[in-house]
Amino acid sequence: QQQVKQSPQSLIVQKGGIPIINCAYENTAFDYFPWYQQFPGKGPALLIAIRPDVSEKKEGRFTISFNKSAKQFSLHIMDSQPGDSATYFCAATKAAGNKLTFGGGTRVLVKP
Amino acid sequence: GAVVSQHPSWVICKSGTSVKIECRSLDFQATTMFWYRQFPKQSLMLMATSNEGSKATYEQGVEKDKFLINHASLTLSTLTVTSAHPEDSSFYICSAKNSGGAGEQYFGPGTRLTVT
Repeated sequence: QQQVKQSPQSLIVQKGGIPIINCAYENTAFDYFPWYQQFPGKGPALLIAIRPDVSEKKEGRFTISFNKSAKQFSLHIMDSQPGDSATYFCAATKAAGNKLTFGGGTRVLVKP
Repeated sequence: GAVVSQHPSWVICKSGTSVKIECRSLDFQATTMFWYRQFPKQSLMLMATSNEGSKATYEQGVEKDKFLINHASLTLSTLTVTSAHPEDSSFYICSAKNSGGAGEQYFGPGTRLTVT
């Protein structure tokens, strides 16, 4: 059972555009939702994370929006750059530091 | 800070042999580490949770006798793939939970295993 559904699978935007990646979860016990960025052949790197008591969080050009009632959250990459081209994973867990359930991933390509 | 290393970064072995992969937290202590595997263009799948000084907890469907995990210190966990077969070829990634701080997880750079 896939507990975290991520969409789209891939995304192409022009430089300066705003890729938006959406995730939906089923388990209401989840209370920590991190996003990871992964480049080919590398391990994932934590980008930003949010808890259900906050509806939005910004760190640099990355913004998470969270809708607790809909059990959905999304990542926006503002003013995207070619260097942002990577695979992005959303994840969820019952508490920070506990085992993560990952979404399927979104391959983002930012064209110059 | 919060660096996790893995060794080796890639390894090629023959079918039937065993391979050990190390995961180290370099600047923090980690009582808990996690091992994932990732096939090309797929997501990370949790294999097991490694706890310092105790037995690992394996996810459903993961053979504990094939994937041996040892977490002998607060900075080192090892994954040994025993009697490797070509279907074990994959990208193995560990993460370490910071025992201090807010308990964030930090991922290693991964180990590419190819079994011929």
